[in-house]
Parts: sequence; C-alpha cells; structure tokens
Amino acid sequence: QKEVEQNSGPLSVPEGAIASLNCTYSDRGSQSFFWYRQYSGKSPELIMFIYSNGDKEDGRFTAQLNKASQYVSLLIRDSQPSDSATYLCAAPNSGYSTLTFGKGTMLLVSP
Amino acid sequence: SQTIHQWPATLVQPVGSPLSLECTVEGTSNPNLYWYRQAAGRGLQLLFYSVGIGQISSEVPQNLSASRPQDRQFILSSKKLLLSDSGFYLCAWGVGNTEAFFGQGTRLTVV
Repeated sequence: QKEVEQNSGPLSVPEGAIASLNCTYSDRGSQSFFWYRQYSGKSPELIMFIYSNGDKEDGRFTAQLNKASQYVSLLIRDSQPSDSATYLCAAPNSGYSTLTFGKGTMLLVSP
Repeated sequence: SQTIHQWPATLVQPVGSPLSLECTVEGTSNPNLYWYRQAAGRGLQLLFYSVGIGQISSEVPQNLSASRPQDRQFILSSKKLLLSDSGFYLCAWGVGNTEAFFGQGTRLTVV
C-alpha cells in the first residue's frame, strides 16, 4: 500500500498570510489527490481535488501537483482564523476502492 | 443530493459490552462504504470497506466486524469492547476509485 506523508505541524501563520501545506507520496502511479479539512472534533470534509500536473484554483485555495517530484501541496491565500484546522491529504490505492490518508497537518491562523 | 447519516454521535460503553454503529446513505446507488477509526491525535485508520451487499473487506485484524445488509446500510459491530476500541468512528461513502464523503462520526469512549 502506498504511503502519504505530511508534516504534523502545527503550522502557524498570521491572518492574511499564505499558508502552504505539503504532502509527499510514494506511489509514482498515483493519478489523483484529495485535500480534506478537519476541524477539531468534527469529521473530515473534502475541499479540493487535483488530477493533473500543475495548479488548480478554487477561491482562496490552490492545489499544486508535481508528479515528477511526487508531492502535492495546498495553498491557502488570505488565511483566516476560521481556516485553523487539520488538513489531510489522500490518494486512491491502485486496484482498490480505498484511499490512503496522510496523518494531517495542523494549521493555526492567528488574528 | 447525497447524504450520509451516522449515529449515535457519542457513546460511552463499558469494557466487555457489545457495540453496534449504523450508517446509511441516501441519494446514490451501490456506493462503496467505509468504516474508519481515528484515535486521539492519530491519523485515519481504515477498518472495513464494502463494494457491494454482503461484500466486506477487513483492513485491520481486531475484535470488530462489519456487515452490509442493504445497499446503502453499513454496520460496525463488536461482541466485546476493549479499552483500546475508544476513538472517533467515521463512516464514509464513495463511488469507484475516487474521493470519500464522511458522516458526522461517532465518538466512542470505552470505560
């Protein structure tokens, strides 16, 4: 089974700054990636997915995929205190209908 | 639109007691269904997944079991709970080899 690695953090950024969250993966065959946000005590919610190399933007969020270097990142522009949460990266397992999740990076945005 | 229901939200059970957690999905047919567990400060651990009625795959050997008696119903059970079974249990659904959507979760405390 593939591995998905994330720095556990916490990553602390001031309000209004850009938060950069990174994820590396072991399976070169991975074709798609998903970013989830999990508030403390709540279930994960899907916020972004990316299937191809390059950038994908959705509002304040940008997902970046670099297949050659095997990393995927999530940029959050104009960070807000409400963005404080744990961000989970996930990739499908080839041949299985399951996802492998990273352990998540905690983001803290200070006012 | 699709919705997923999971109950109860919280549960306190004594060691050695049985467990039954239920999850139902609306608005889709033949979904993949998943049970995850998240221990305090830990990542998401896939426990079971199902690609169809009566088809259950177990990812981690333990004293838990899962059943899928109907297309959109997934049940997690135990005959005798252990202290180590405490955690945040999450049901999720997906289609094919794509993202998963989570229910609200059940916080189980075994005392």
